[in-house]
Amino acid sequence: NAGVTQTPKFQVLKTGQSMTLQCAQDMNHNSMYWYRQDPGMGLRLIYYSASEGTTDKGEVPNGYNVSRLNKREFSLRLESAAPSQTSVYFCASSQGGGGETQYFGPGTRLLVL
Amino acid sequence: GDSVTQMEGPVTLSEEAFLTINCTYTATGYPSLFWYVQYPGEGLQLLLKATKADDKGSNKGFEATYRKETTSFHLEKGSVQVSDSAVYFCALSARTGANSKLTFGKGITLSVRP
Repeated sequence: NAGVTQTPKFQVLKTGQSMTLQCAQDMNHNSMYWYRQDPGMGLRLIYYSASEGTTDKGEVPNGYNVSRLNKREFSLRLESAAPSQTSVYFCASSQGGGGETQYFGPGTRLLVL
Repeated sequence: GDSVTQMEGPVTLSEEAFLTINCTYTATGYPSLFWYVQYPGEGLQLLLKATKADDKGSNKGFEATYRKETTSFHLEKGSVQVSDSAVYFCALSARTGANSKLTFGKGITLSVRP
């Protein structure tokens, strides 16, 4: 099993450019999440999808949009990238229902110049 | 809202030293508690978890006990190895509801020298 996969692994953008980060899971999980990791800040939730067809804002949603394409895939879009969005982005999935383990992808390192 | 507080880092230890990483939490209800580990250049992976008071999670020689009275979930290992060098995150998740958002502490970097 691949678990949670993310593409790309690394990306450089110029301010104002757009891009989509892709995430897929093969564990038949109901819930999926996008986090960003910044030095000294831990991981902060951007958006999540409790189940197919639903999405909700997390702690830091400004500047991002998401799409739960189907049960397997959950994408994160930056419409107009800003240097403050330079970060490492992690996708995660879980079975859903409350309190269960989340499984993380390897991350996408994004640099916005 | 929910929050997790971890001790400040980084921490540097010699191989075979005893490790304690403190973690306390604030939450409504009875959350599940987790320790995740991130090795250099990788994503997070679950190290151990506990779902109710007095439960002890354990894995790879690491242990943590869910202490409701002190709202703590401290991570311990009796003898660390160089391969334990990583970033460690304490986290909590609500045990009820349709979603399981994790609230993370800021993480602490552990370096183990030979």
